[in-house]
Amino acid sequence: DQQVKQNSPSLSVQEGRISILNCDYTNSMFDYFLWYKKYPAEGPTFLISISSIKDKNEDGRFTVFLNKSAKHLSLHIVPSQPGDSAVYFCAASTSSNTGKLIFGQGTTLQVKP
Amino acid sequence: DAGVIQSPRHEVTEMGQEVTLRCKPISGHDYLFWYRQTMMRGLELLIYFNNNVPIDDSGMPEDRFSAKMPNASFSTLKIQPSEPRDSAVYFCASSAGTGRKAGELFFGEGSRLTVL
Repeated sequence: DQQVKQNSPSLSVQEGRISILNCDYTNSMFDYFLWYKKYPAEGPTFLISISSIKDKNEDGRFTVFLNKSAKHLSLHIVPSQPGDSAVYFCAASTSSNTGKLIFGQGTTLQVKP
Repeated sequence: DAGVIQSPRHEVTEMGQEVTLRCKPISGHDYLFWYRQTMMRGLELLIYFNNNVPIDDSGMPEDRFSAKMPNASFSTLKIQPSEPRDSAVYFCASSAGTGRKAGELFFGEGSRLTVL
């Protein structure tokens, strides 16, 4: 049972444009969401997070939006840069078990110069 | 500062052999996690520890897998006997703080296991 889903395995965008990565979840108990970025042959690195009491969190070029009613979150990267090319994972946790992250399958982003 | 250190980076072994993966978390971090990444299942949590105590091992696939954390600076994940379907990249991660900060993980570079 995949509780966190990233339905797009890959995404390709032009440098300077917006990248939008999507994530859906099924467990209504999830109340904290995170995005991680992973380069080849490296471990994932934390990028940005959002609590369920918010619907938007911004950090530089990265913004995460949360739609609780739709159980959907998205990561916007504006403007996209070639160095953003990586695999992006969304993850979710509950307040009763904050250390236990459930990850999606990942979306491979390619930003073309 | 040193990050999470995993060894070996690559391991090739034959079916039936014992495999031991090692992890040194970031000093001062009190959570340690073992994840497995495969093409089919993505990143799966196998087990995690808080202050060296196993908290949730519900992701450990079967009795062939075991994990220990004898002290705050060392953990092992053991597979005995190994099988070809265990082939994957195994990540160790650590985190600090309470509440939400516990979910902001620092990952090692992973151990790529191939079981022939």
